[in-house]
Amino acid sequence: QKEVEQNSGPLSVPEGAIASLNCTYSDRGSQSFFWYRQYSGKSPELIMSIYSNGDKEDGRFTAQLNKASQYVSLLIRDSQPSDSATYLCAVNRSGNQFYFGTGTSLTVIP
Amino acid sequence: GAVVSQHPSRVICKSGTSVKIECRSLDFQATTMFWYRQFPKQSLMLMATSNEGSKATYEQGVEKDKFLINHASLTLSTLTVTSAHPEDSSFYICSARDQRPPPDTQYFGPGTRLTVL
Repeated sequence: QKEVEQNSGPLSVPEGAIASLNCTYSDRGSQSFFWYRQYSGKSPELIMSIYSNGDKEDGRFTAQLNKASQYVSLLIRDSQPSDSATYLCAVNRSGNQFYFGTGTSLTVIP
Repeated sequence: GAVVSQHPSRVICKSGTSVKIECRSLDFQATTMFWYRQFPKQSLMLMATSNEGSKATYEQGVEKDKFLINHASLTLSTLTVTSAHPEDSSFYICSARDQRPPPDTQYFGPGTRLTVL
């Protein structure tokens, strides 16, 4: 079983819609969770981190964490073509133990 | 967020030569840095974890004698690809672990694109 699992997509949404990206993780002891955005040919860029159950909002982005279900999601409201990228979910168990999903490719259609 | 730089951003070299890539944390001290490689349209692959003042920990299948890692200070880690061959051509990305206000977070450098002719 992989540490972090994501649907590889591609996920396509029309401009202005809500994009919903999902991630599950295997270790209940995981402590913190991250979403990174990676444009083609570029390195990952941190969008959000979350470590408490519930929702965390930052602009058009909302991260949701449910530790009981071992599930973390990212919602992008009012999606823009510039949001088209691969989104990586990452989990930190403790210390240096970070695990990345393989990423979900998102395309926002103008 | 924290800033991590990498140098060079792009390098082309001949087969058999060695290439050194630098990774620097610019506004924080990083006891731990990570080195990844990524082939086109594939996911990140962790190569090694670099700890300041100690030997790096390599992932299974990564040759430590080919990919030399040095983490001599709290702001600098280097990756040297020794005797590079065309199959080493890839996108190499470092990240640094920021342990300031929780949670511990990885910040990535911009990456180095290596082409071995």
